[in-house]
Formats: sequence, structure tokens, C-alpha cells
Amino acid sequence: EVQLVESGGGLVQPGGSLRLSCAASGFTLSHWMSWVRQAPGKGLDWVANIKEDGSAKFYVDSVKGRFTISRDNAKNSLYLQMNSLRAEDTAVYYCARDQLGYPGESFDSWGQGTLVTVSS
Amino acid sequence: QSVLTQPPSVSAAPGQKVTISCSGSSSNIGNNHVSWYQQLPGTAPKLLIYDNNKRPSGIPDRFSGSKSGTSATLGITGLQTGDEADYYCGTWDSSLRAGVFGGGTKLTVL
Repeated sequence: EVQLVESGGGLVQPGGSLRLSCAASGFTLSHWMSWVRQAPGKGLDWVANIKEDGSAKFYVDSVKGRFTISRDNAKNSLYLQMNSLRAEDTAVYYCARDQLGYPGESFDSWGQGTLVTVSS
Repeated sequence: QSVLTQPPSVSAAPGQKVTISCSGSSSNIGNNHVSWYQQLPGTAPKLLIYDNNKRPSGIPDRFSGSKSGTSATLGITGLQTGDEADYYCGTWDSSLRAGVFGGGTKLTVL
């Protein structure tokens, strides 16, 4: 069974940093992987994705230069390093598996999400 | 504002059919594959449709998808109260080089 489990969320002050992790099981990380966030009461926002071997990464404009997506295939893990956090980054962050053959277009497995709250 | 445009809400009676539209542009829907997601309250999104009109295993054929030009549509027949949820369309935007979603549509089964 495919399973994605996020961790690392919490309360952080504006300007602070946080590192999210996503542990994958039930499949090998031979997929593109993404982070998708959802602000409280709002819709889905794609944040970033990374190619199977880490050789390509894409980001939404609002996080470029502040967030870094990475992966460790030996540990079956995905990460999101978030720096210079702003109030508008407050959201539930989901780890999602890009569907084979459809990177960035379709996400066939999702974690339960981890809440990041940016507030003083 | 979302790159893809969806109606905020739709409603229909149990047993009826409903459609949800998703409008975009040539840089996203027009040249990439559309997916649809169902998000029940308090849960993670679930893939319903991929590649415009394909259903993952386990998704009933009450759910269907179509695409024409720069618009896509999700159809749900035989509505059940358990279908009450938020529905999102998504795809890749080749100009932005980013994934994009619609703002979401809340389905109410009256």
C-alpha cells in the first residue's frame, strides 16, 4: 500500500525557517514528487516538484528563492526547506506523488498533511 | 486568484447529474492533461480523473471527465450524499512552469 507521511510542521515566527519531511512507503521513489499546500479555508496551491533523480526542480513564483525541495531516494524521503517564512505561507502542506507519465499534471497519492503556522 | 477558473458551488438532488467546469488557457489546459480531485471535509484530496478522462482503479464510472480546447468538465451521475465535497481541477502550466489548480467547487447534494 502506498503511504506518504509528512512531519515537521509547527508554529514559526515570520522570517523563520522550517524543514518538512515526507516518508514514503509501499513504492520506490521512481516518481516525480510534489508539495501542495492549502491555506485554512482556501483551495489547493501547488508549491514545488522534483524529478526522480533530483536533477530538475520547479517552484511556484511566490516561494522561489525561499523554499528548496529535495529528496533522498535511499531513505525514501522528500523534503521541503522553507526559509524567510511569511504569514501567507500558513497552510497545511501535503506531500503528493506525481503520477507516472504526468509530472505536475496529476497526483495519485497524497499524505495526510502537516500544518505550518507562521505567526508572531 | 487561481489560474484555472471553477464555479464556487454547484448543487443537485440525490440521483441527479451535475457538471463542474474548469476554464484555463492554451498554456495550461489547452496543451496539457487535466486531472480532477475530490476533497471530503478534513481529508486529503483524492484523484478522481487523470489524463482528461481516465479513472484510476477504484473510482466508480459515475465520475467522468472531458476536455475541449482550453476548458475541462467533471461529470458526476447518480449523485449521493457522500459525494458532498470540494472538487478541484489541476494541470501543468507550460508558461509558468508550475502546477496549477482551480479555486475549487463545493458540491451540495440537496
